[in-house]
Amino acid sequence: EAGVAQSPRYKIIEKRQSVAFWCNPISGHATLYWYQQILGQGPKLLIQFQNNGVVDDSQLPKDRFSAERLKGVDSTLKIQPAKLEDSAVYLCASSRMGTGYSYEQYFGPGTRLTVT
Amino acid sequence: AQSVSQHNHHVILSEAASLELGCNYSYGGTVNLFWYVQYPGQHLQLLLKYFSGDPLVKGIKGFEAEFIKSKFSFNLRKPSVQWSDTAEYFCAVTDTNAGKSTFGDGTTLTVKP
Repeated sequence: EAGVAQSPRYKIIEKRQSVAFWCNPISGHATLYWYQQILGQGPKLLIQFQNNGVVDDSQLPKDRFSAERLKGVDSTLKIQPAKLEDSAVYLCASSRMGTGYSYEQYFGPGTRLTVT
Repeated sequence: AQSVSQHNHHVILSEAASLELGCNYSYGGTVNLFWYVQYPGQHLQLLLKYFSGDPLVKGIKGFEAEFIKSKFSFNLRKPSVQWSDTAEYFCAVTDTNAGKSTFGDGTTLTVKP
C-alpha cells in the first residue's frame, strides 16, 4: 500500500509570512495526526482527526495554526503568521481505528520548515 | 496528562554490545505502548508494539521490549547491536480511551563498527 504523502518536503519563509502543509494519509485510515518535532525533541501532537472531526487539538496554538480535513481524507495545516520558534519538522501520520487495532501510526516523510 | 520519559539522550555502543533503552510513562489508564525508530534519512517507522497479552514483545531486527505495568516501564532491548542499528529511537504511549499519543524525546543510538 502507498504510504503517507506530505508536501512540500522543505520550506523556508520569513517570519510573519504564512505557510501551508499538505498530507494524504494511507487509504482507509480514519485517524490523521499532525505533529511538530523540534530538533532534539520528540514529536508533539498538534491535532488529531478522526474522519473529518477533531479529536484533540489541545496543543495547537490556535491564534496562528489551523488545520482542516475536508471529506475525511487529506488534510492541510496552516501557520499564519509564522514565528521563528515554528522552525521544526511537521509530521503527518495516520492509523486505522476500531476494535482490535492498536493505534499503530504510519508516518510521512515530514516537512522541514525554516523560519528566518 | 500523560508523559513519557526516555532516560538516555545519546547512547554509543560498539558492535555486538547489548542494548537497553529505558522508557517510563505516567498515565493511570489503559495504554498501548510503542517503540518507533528513525534511521538516518528515513521516516519514523514502527519497531514494536504492546497492546495486550504477553508483556514481552518482539519486533523487527531482533529487538524486544518488556512491559512492566507496576513500574510503568517499557524498556527496549537487543542482545547484540549492529552498525545498521544506528538511529533515533522513540518510545510512545497511546491512551486507549481517547486515542491520544505522547512521545518521548528520543534516544540517539550510535553503533561503532
